Amino acid sequence: ETGVTQSPTHLIKTRGQQVTLRCSSQSGHNTVSWYQQALGQGPQFIFQYYREEENGRGNFPPRFSGLQFPNYSSELNVNALELDDSALYLCASSPMGGTYEQYFGPGTRLTVT
Amino acid sequence: AQRVTQPEKLLSVFKGAPVELKCNYSYSGSPELFWYVQYSRQRLQLLLRHISRESIKGFTADLNKGETSFHLKKPFAQEEDSAMYYCALRGVAGGTSYGKLTFGQGTILTVHP
Repeated sequence: ETGVTQSPTHLIKTRGQQVTLRCSSQSGHNTVSWYQQALGQGPQFIFQYYREEENGRGNFPPRFSGLQFPNYSSELNVNALELDDSALYLCASSPMGGTYEQYFGPGTRLTVT
Repeated sequence: AQRVTQPEKLLSVFKGAPVELKCNYSYSGSPELFWYVQYSRQRLQLLLRHISRESIKGFTADLNKGETSFHLKKPFAQEEDSAMYYCALRGVAGGTSYGKLTFGQGTILTVHP
């Protein structure tokens, strides 16, 4: 059984640019949640996708958007990057709409300069 | 609004000593509470959840609704328990943000030999 994978591992972007982060969910999981973890903080919920539809959103502006594909993999897109977007972005997958345990990926470290 | 507070950023104990990591929450209803752990260079993983009421790696946590707390305890700490610990809360089924995990800021536990 393959666990949650994320790509890239880390990347550096310039303020104002756009970025796409990718997540492959664990086999058999149809729900993906994205979290932002700033340095020294706990993860903060961005949004969740269930069967290709957004299924809940945290307190993040619209420039944070996402997609889920038929194979349940997911993308997180961030437009107009700001310095404060520098963080570790975590993806978590779970079966059955998020009611069960969420399995986390290793994260993507984004640095905005 | 749901909130999780972990008052201690750092906690140091000696091997064999008891350890308690504190967690308090704020939620209007009956939440699900979790403890997640992140060992060095590993991904975030579930340690235990209050619903299962089981002991994992010697750790236990009791949900105290009166004090809105979910403290993590272990009677005899081991060096391999050194890690970052996060307390997390999930809202009641049916809410718009069900599936969303709200994390505390985390406590770094160091167990000295």
